[in-house]
Amino acid sequence: DIVMTQSPDSLAVSLGERATINCKSSQSVLYSSDNKNYLAWYQHKPGQPPQLLIYWASTRESGVPDRFSGSASGTDFTLTISSLQAEDVAVYYCHQYYSSPLTFGGGTKVEIK
Amino acid sequence: EVQLVESGGGLVNPGGSLRLSCVASGFTFSSVWMSWVRQAPGMGLVWVGRVNRKIDGGTTDYAAPVKDRFTISRDDSKNTLFLQMDSLKIEDTAIYYCTAGLGKTEIDFWGQGTLVTVSS
Repeated sequence: DIVMTQSPDSLAVSLGERATINCKSSQSVLYSSDNKNYLAWYQHKPGQPPQLLIYWASTRESGVPDRFSGSASGTDFTLTISSLQAEDVAVYYCHQYYSSPLTFGGGTKVEIK
Repeated sequence: EVQLVESGGGLVNPGGSLRLSCVASGFTFSSVWMSWVRQAPGMGLVWVGRVNRKIDGGTTDYAAPVKDRFTISRDDSKNTLFLQMDSLKIEDTAIYYCTAGLGKTEIDFWGQGTLVTVSS
């Protein structure tokens, strides 16, 4: 199974400041035939279902604000919120869909400082 | 508008059974892979299993903790996904989300979830 390790578990950021969440996969999730990382990010707010933010490690889902961005370097992945807004308070999960069983990171709780 | 509406959750005794349903609308249900994901109280997201399209064989795949106890099926004529849960354990207590892979990942869209509580 591919283990997804997120860090930190939680972080508090001031409004307008940058938030950075890290995720590391225990093995590559890069599919050689299409050269894509099968890595997604979800935002999960209390009382709501999770929502897809980023797929292919760096492609923003339609309707997602451009302050959200994803990047990849080998088996290390990063979700960046460039200027934190109040509505971004949530738990964020990385997820690999490269191989079964599909797995998620443990989540990172983002709060306002 | 894409919608996934789960039902069937509730309180069940350990060792009991429960069947969850998920009615889909707003997309061509028969064309997509469907999965169930759960979240235990205070914990993170955990994939339960999936069923692929009939044209892909309609095969299923499960996470180890539920394999041989849970069965996922689909009725494309009714745009409905099912999760049959048998031999339930206390640790199966969770919100169960129905999810659809709409072309980007296997899990693009989530239903609101239905709560399953296993307790005596």
